[in-house]
Amino acid sequence: QQQVKQSPQSLIVQKGGISIINCAYENTAFDYFPWYQQFPGKGPALLIAIRPDVSEKKEGRFTISFNKSAKQFSLHIMDSQPGDSATYFCAANGRVSARQLTFGSGTQLTVLP
Amino acid sequence: GAVVSQHPSWVICKSGTSVKIECRSLDFQATTMFWYRQFPKQSLMLMATSNEGSKATYEQGVEKDKFLINHASLTLSTLTVTSAHPEDSSFYICSARDSRTGDEKLFFGSGTQLSVL
Repeated sequence: QQQVKQSPQSLIVQKGGISIINCAYENTAFDYFPWYQQFPGKGPALLIAIRPDVSEKKEGRFTISFNKSAKQFSLHIMDSQPGDSATYFCAANGRVSARQLTFGSGTQLTVLP
Repeated sequence: GAVVSQHPSWVICKSGTSVKIECRSLDFQATTMFWYRQFPKQSLMLMATSNEGSKATYEQGVEKDKFLINHASLTLSTLTVTSAHPEDSSFYICSARDSRTGDEKLFFGSGTQLSVL
């Protein structure tokens, strides 16, 4: 019940296109859903996060869509740029001890110039 | 956002030696810090939760005697890999959130690449 399933494993998008990464969870106790971006050899950086009381959150070119009934959430990167090429992780936490994050398996995004 | 400083960025050591990794919250206090391990092209695996002034909580399968964690102050946690072996070679990352504000955001250090020869 602690799993967060992420897809696709890898994604190739043309510059200017839309990148979409999906995640699904089982644990209904989860109440915070962040997305992280990680470049090789670096720690993850928080991109955007959402709580289940809203269905969508937008920050710049990044949008999270959240479907509470389906227990799914997704990251949309609009106007994708080569500099967005990185690994993206969805995560979730909730009413568990210390509120540690459970991470998805990651998506390697490549944006072609 | 808040800054978590992690040192060293990379370390190479001989098998059998011990290595200490430091994690500091630079502009906030953290009563709890988290230590992760990441293998190439894989996700982050939580190793342990570091608690200021008390013992760390280790995840199942993580050897507490091998991965010693000390959280002596509200801004510093250390991970010591004792008697390191080649299979301990990995990318280690710490994280923390601001315990004063209660903000949910979790910030990560830049990671430490450990290579054991």
